Amino acid sequence: QQQVKQSPQSLIVQKGGISIINCAYENTAFDYFPWYQQFPGKGPALLIAIRPDVSEKKEGRFTISFNKSAKQFSLHIMDSQPGDSATYFCAASEGSNFGNEKLTFGTGTRLTIIP
Amino acid sequence: DTEVTQTPKHLVMGMTNKKSLKCEQHMGHRAMYWYKQKAKKPPELMFVYSYEKLSINESVPSRFSPECPNSSLLNLHLHALQPEDSALYLCASSPKDRLSYEQYFGPGTRLTVT
Repeated sequence: QQQVKQSPQSLIVQKGGISIINCAYENTAFDYFPWYQQFPGKGPALLIAIRPDVSEKKEGRFTISFNKSAKQFSLHIMDSQPGDSATYFCAASEGSNFGNEKLTFGTGTRLTIIP
Repeated sequence: DTEVTQTPKHLVMGMTNKKSLKCEQHMGHRAMYWYKQKAKKPPELMFVYSYEKLSINESVPSRFSPECPNSSLLNLHLHALQPEDSALYLCASSPKDRLSYEQYFGPGTRLTVT
C-alpha cells in the first residue's frame, strides 16, 4: 500500500516536444506529491509539488496533473529541451501526518531529449 | 536559500575504518533526513531527525550511527562497513510545519567501501 508506481522507465522525446511521466499510488492517506529531477552524480532537486485539493499546478514549462479518484498524477514537460535530460522521480508522503511524513519514491524515469 | 551542504563529496574507506559524513542547513528547518541511493534506484530513507530527536530509523544496521548535535547539523558515523554499503548518501531537510512539506536534498556523498 506504500508503493508508488512510475512509468515509463525510460523516455526519449524530441526537442520541443512534450514529455509525460505517470505515477499511481494506493495509499489514500498520501496528501503531498512532489516531483524531483536528478542529474548524474547530483542530489535530487525539488521541481514541483501538488496537494490533492487542486487538479493541476503549473510552474513554467512543468505541469503536474492530479486525479484523486484514479489515484494518479503525472508530470508534463512542455517544449522539452536537452537540458531537461535527467532522471525524474515522483514521490508521495503523508505530509500532514507529523511523525510519518517520509517520502515514498517511484522507481524513476530516465528522460532523454534528442535534438 | 534552499541549500543543504554535505561533506565530503567523495569518500573511500576500508571495511575496518571509521569515518563520518556531515550535513548542514541554515534554513531553520526542523527535520533532517539521511537517505541512501544506489545506482539507477530511488533514494531509500535511513533516518529522520525531528526537532533534533531521532524519530524514524528504517531498520538500518548499527554500523550506521546518526547524530544530530544541533538543529543545523546532521552527522552519519560509519564503522565496519561492507562493500555493498557503497552508494550515494543524501541528506535532506524539511521545514516540518503545517504549511510546508517540502524536502530539500543536498548534493550527496559518494561512498566507496573497499
